[in-house]
Amino acid sequence: QVQLVESGGGVVQPGGSLRLSCSASGFTFSTYGMHWLRQAPGKEPQWVAFIRYDSSDKYYANSVQGRFTISRDNSKNTLDLQMNSLRVEDTAVYFCAKEGTPVTNFASWGQGALVTVSA
Amino acid sequence: QSALTQPRSVSGSPGQSVTISCTGTSSDVGGYNSVSWYRQHPGKAPKLMIYDVSKRPSGVPDRFSGSKSGNTASLTISGLQADDEADYYCCSYAGRYTHYVFGTGTEVTVL
Repeated sequence: QVQLVESGGGVVQPGGSLRLSCSASGFTFSTYGMHWLRQAPGKEPQWVAFIRYDSSDKYYANSVQGRFTISRDNSKNTLDLQMNSLRVEDTAVYFCAKEGTPVTNFASWGQGALVTVSA
Repeated sequence: QSALTQPRSVSGSPGQSVTISCTGTSSDVGGYNSVSWYRQHPGKAPKLMIYDVSKRPSGVPDRFSGSKSGNTASLTISGLQADDEADYYCCSYAGRYTHYVFGTGTEVTVL
């Protein structure tokens, strides 16, 4: 079965950086696009970024464009999110998710990693 | 891009049906047949329940059904069960610039 496990969450000061990772198993990782989403406390989920199966395309939400970078390593079945210039409003649980078939849905989600941006 | 509008809460007794609405615009819900619904229990990750407006992933019971009319999508849960008590979010594809927008979320309570 599909398993997605996020790691790398923690507490960071405003302006700081953090790198999240997502380890994938149970499916052919190299053939699926992958997403990062986040959910602030008590709020709805928010889509953050997408990377195509072969890294040929990457898309970002306006709120993180220029600060966050999504990447993947198909040889290691891992997905990463490099987060720079973090802001208090970036505080959330971050989820990695596998694209569905068809692609416009989030078929499977990890358990999430908490990122807290606070002075 | 504003979040899609959902009722804050709905409730029903076991065995009854409830319907959750999700209202957007012609740029999201009304413009694409790419509405999905997610169930989220407290402290857990969201789970896909409906995709492409009305399709169910493997393993999701047929008690869950979806529909759309104009800029409003709906999720109906029939034969309400205790485990259905959770938060439900709709989500719509919104084009190449916004990509995806979620609903404000609805808390379903089983009385």
